[in-house]
Amino acid sequence: GQQLNQSPQSMFIQEGEDVSMNCTSSSIFNTWLWYKQDPGEGPVLLIALYKAGELTSNGRLTAQFGITRKDSFLNISASIPSDVGIYFCAGQKGGADGLTFGKGTHLIIQP
Amino acid sequence: DAGVIQSPRHEVTEMGQEVTLRCKPISGHNSLFWYRQTMMRGLELLIYFNNNVPIDDSGMPEDRFSAKMPNASFSTLKIQPSEPRDSAVYFCASSRQGGYGNEQFFGPGTRLTVL
Repeated sequence: GQQLNQSPQSMFIQEGEDVSMNCTSSSIFNTWLWYKQDPGEGPVLLIALYKAGELTSNGRLTAQFGITRKDSFLNISASIPSDVGIYFCAGQKGGADGLTFGKGTHLIIQP
Repeated sequence: DAGVIQSPRHEVTEMGQEVTLRCKPISGHNSLFWYRQTMMRGLELLIYFNNNVPIDDSGMPEDRFSAKMPNASFSTLKIQPSEPRDSAVYFCASSRQGGYGNEQFFGPGTRLTVL
């Protein structure tokens, strides 16, 4: 099935650095979401975006819904060790539909 | 509030055996989703229900897979017969439709190994 193009696949950064990752799609989504998954657990919702152009923050996390509705980015400022994990973008066509996921960005933080 | 509950957390079975995965959605949620996660294919939607009715099962890989939702608080995903390529982590998620937000919340997953 269709998947979103998420990049980068992995990031090795120093604690305190800012992080940026993005997702693109060839088709339009009406909702974009960002999840974080820790080993052995299910994805946990970080941010949900519902309007094209919307910029939303959740603590040190900021995400934007692209104007074309075909892309989204997630920024993490001043990374800390607990930010380690895999971050997934997900798109949703209609409010009651299932999600289409990116392949994930594996974030590794070096102290 | 309890989150999405899945059982078992781990299942190891032999090829050809029947496998049943169980999910209890968050109370008050009226949509339920089954996803599968593998290294090769990532997270994929298998099937979802709205108000206990299956809406889209186009992601179900084969006739060996079936899912039911007999009531608002319980769903099963069955694989019969199981094959080694079915080995994956299976997630259940639920959401409340209607209103502005309809975020999906995921359970901890069932790690299935078919030998």
